[in-house]
Amino acid sequence: QSALTQPASVSGSPGQSITISCTGTSSDVGGYNYVSWYQQHPGKAPKLMIYEVSNRPSGVSNRFSGSKSGNTASLTISGLQAEDEADYYCSSYRSSSTLVVFGGGTKLTVL
Amino acid sequence: QVTLRESGPALVKPTQTLTLTCTFSGFSLSTTGMCVSWIRQPPGKALEWLARIDWDDDKYYSTSLKTRLTISKDTSKNQVVLTMTNMDPVDTATYYCARVVVGASRYAFDIWGQGTMVTVSS
Repeated sequence: QSALTQPASVSGSPGQSITISCTGTSSDVGGYNYVSWYQQHPGKAPKLMIYEVSNRPSGVSNRFSGSKSGNTASLTISGLQAEDEADYYCSSYRSSSTLVVFGGGTKLTVL
Repeated sequence: QVTLRESGPALVKPTQTLTLTCTFSGFSLSTTGMCVSWIRQPPGKALEWLARIDWDDDKYYSTSLKTRLTISKDTSKNQVVLTMTNMDPVDTATYYCARVVVGASRYAFDIWGQGTMVTVSS
């Protein structure tokens, strides 16, 4: 059982928007702005998409955005494209324990 | 260009010690703010953070695995080594190393290696 809770799967049609949630506690997601999001295509290494809740690394499409409310962080992908189909993982700093915790991952299907 | 590459045995026997090496280029672990972490992923399962070593030799370990893990660095060789003792079949996973730049994104992994698959079986 992963430390952060994500939905197992989400789906959307091309052009639509989807949101993936990541729920933790006040010791991680809710207490710090150190939430990151990663995209992983099958057989590939994860790729950083969002860091510190809402910041995009250079080169990441502005269709990807992040936010946080209380103990839940969210990743929103707008204008869905076929290439967005992948697994998405959230992570967060956690105090007084393991430094970083991950979510269980969400499989995004583009219909 | 920043790259990281993991290397180590593809197969280890139960109770043996696993030694993995992360060889990187494009940055130095003697530079303030640079860190390298290890993360693993069992087949079909989620990512799990294992350990991190910082430019100043500070080390951090997963609470659940800290008695079995040791992380070290060789700055002159641009390498980070992770050892995990008493391997068990549940440790079968792809092991990744990844960079953290404290000044940019304190707990985010901005560049990842390709990963190395380790199977634990007799």
